[in-house]
Amino acid sequence: DFQMTQSPSSLSASVGDRVTITCRASQDFGSYLAWYQQKPGKVPKLLIYAASTLQSGVPSRFSGSGSGTDFTLTISSLQPEDVATYYCQKYNLAPFTFGPGTKVEIK
Amino acid sequence: EVQLVESGGGLVKPGGSLRLSCAASGFTFSSYTMNWVRQAPGKGLEWVSSISSSSAYIFYADSVEGRFTISRDNAKNSLYLQMSSLRAEDTALYYCASRYYDNSDFYPFASWGQGTLVTVSS
Repeated sequence: DFQMTQSPSSLSASVGDRVTITCRASQDFGSYLAWYQQKPGKVPKLLIYAASTLQSGVPSRFSGSGSGTDFTLTISSLQPEDVATYYCQKYNLAPFTFGPGTKVEIK
Repeated sequence: EVQLVESGGGLVKPGGSLRLSCAASGFTFSSYTMNWVRQAPGKGLEWVSSISSSSAYIFYADSVEGRFTISRDNAKNSLYLQMSSLRAEDTALYYCASRYYDNSDFYPFASWGQGTLVTVSS
């Protein structure tokens, strides 16, 4: 069965810190990897697709990289409004599996 | 502006049925693959089901296969999820999400509705 993991499951960082979240898949699926941000009580929002393409309107402090089975989401300078849970997802073929999420908080 | 509005959630007893709807507007509905994603209280996102633009291709998560049926009506710009044999573990906020389709590439879930809450409890 296809599996996706994320690490860490949660993190606490200071404003201005560089934050890195990792997503790992059990099988290679190319670069069809998306990152979503879900703020508390809100709807998930597409941040990045094709592993590294920023969705329109997303701040440039967000970036993504990777391909195959290993992917990274980086926030270059953490801001208070970035408090959220971040999910990776493969979207090429069903099942469109999500990672378990990484909760980001401000220290 | 893209709008996806879910409805039909509520409280249902274990073993019961419920039909969710998602009304779409602001985009060419018939050009998009549509999806249901759920989120149990305090938990992560779980993809549930997808239906292609013409309904030719339908997929389900193993957890709902045989119990849930996805469908769409392109004339009414609407997506549906018929849920039966409901279990406590189906309790979740159910989102509909759109995914552009063409023959040349794959696309992510770009737009999401606000969700409709399904509670399965006796």
